[in-house]
Amino acid sequence: AQSVTQPDIHITVSEGASLELRCNYSYGATPYLFWYVQSPGQGLQLLLKYFSGDTLVQGIKGFEAEFKRSQSSFNLRKPSVHWSDAAEYFCAVGGINSGNEKLTFGTGTRLTIIP
Amino acid sequence: IAGITQAPTSQILAAGRRMTLRCTQDMRHNAMYWYRQDLGLGLRLIHYSNTAGTTGKGEVPDGYSVSRANTDDFPLTLASAVPSQTSVYFCASSLDRNQPQHFGDGTRLSIL
Repeated sequence: AQSVTQPDIHITVSEGASLELRCNYSYGATPYLFWYVQSPGQGLQLLLKYFSGDTLVQGIKGFEAEFKRSQSSFNLRKPSVHWSDAAEYFCAVGGINSGNEKLTFGTGTRLTIIP
Repeated sequence: IAGITQAPTSQILAAGRRMTLRCTQDMRHNAMYWYRQDLGLGLRLIHYSNTAGTTGKGEVPDGYSVSRANTDDFPLTLASAVPSQTSVYFCASSLDRNQPQHFGDGTRLSIL
């Protein structure tokens, strides 16, 4: 069965510092991977996705993620965080052409930014 | 602005009552979804519809029903609400079942 693990429930970083959010997945074939962000009181917004090609994926808001098949990871990074990045971040895994009905979401990482 | 509209924004409901959560999208997306979000559990799929006129069960469908009479609307009904259905409900849509989803802002539902 497919699964997603986000090992960090809560992360606090200083504004301007670099960020890495971890995501480990289990999937039997080539995965389709996503990162979504959820601001308080709002729905999820797609940050970036990976399904093939270059393993370093660029997203919106200055985020990037790297697919590492050997480590079953898809970690999200940002070189310098802004106070507006405070939110909850969700990783998700599915199969190419398997449909969103088969997508599995992680339990999320809450990001707090301190001055 | 194109997107997904969910109504109501929040609701407090007595157990045993019937409740319909509304979801409308104006992006002409073929696929639509209902999720519930609970602390520590992430998002769990309740029901989905890959095209108008069809629906399917997700991970946690019990106690919920949906219909998809047209492309734009995808209401979620709780026939007889129970306290365990207290949650935040998100509607989402995608151009087709293999494209990334767009989410509404959610309905916060409390069952007393």
